[in-house]
Amino acid sequence: DTEVTQTPKHLVMGMTNKKSLKCEQHMGHRAMYWYKQKAKKPPELMFVYSYEKLSINESVPSRFSPECPNSSLLNLHLHALQPEDSALYLCASSQNWGYEQYFGPGTRLTVT
Amino acid sequence: DQQVKQNSPSLSVQEGRISILNCDYTNSMFDYFLWYKKYPAEGPTFLISISSIKDKNEDGRFTVFLNKSAKHLSLHIVPSQPGDSAVYFCAASARIQGAQKLVFGQGTRLTINP
Repeated sequence: DTEVTQTPKHLVMGMTNKKSLKCEQHMGHRAMYWYKQKAKKPPELMFVYSYEKLSINESVPSRFSPECPNSSLLNLHLHALQPEDSALYLCASSQNWGYEQYFGPGTRLTVT
Repeated sequence: DQQVKQNSPSLSVQEGRISILNCDYTNSMFDYFLWYKKYPAEGPTFLISISSIKDKNEDGRFTVFLNKSAKHLSLHIVPSQPGDSAVYFCAASARIQGAQKLVFGQGTRLTINP
């Protein structure tokens, strides 16, 4: 089973809203990732969690706040976003010392 | 500074023929390379990978070649099938701060024509 699930599939939010994106995997992977992908662009790394601890933050604005409650779950809390934050947000996971990352289907976020 | 480059934004190949997708990288710290396939509105799907200590890896119709001295890798798909039509991303991996970081190329849109 190489499934990573993400909810919701689509999200529309205003610039003053607070919302959260959720990601879940049951492959026993200990590394989880958040990526942002704009149209016709490659995925760009935002955050990496390794053994539930934040390992990499790619200088992401504080209006994006990641959280890893346990080894299977990864959240991305959103607050006061801008229209340019509209994108596909992808979650991925991998074995901590493995190289292949497995991606979820993504959440299409629109900020109005 | 684009560390991973796919110089062909699109490629059109006839069904049954060979598709060759190319990728170049600049950072010598990358030690593992991967190819992902992506359909619209879906996440990338892992296809095949290669370690920097190898020069070839094969999995069914897919073969990845790595030329480390040229910092170049390619994905061969043979024979090409209509279901292979998608965007293909090359990705390079480096271990940073105890975690694996993937850097993606810009992608190549492959179209297989019947």
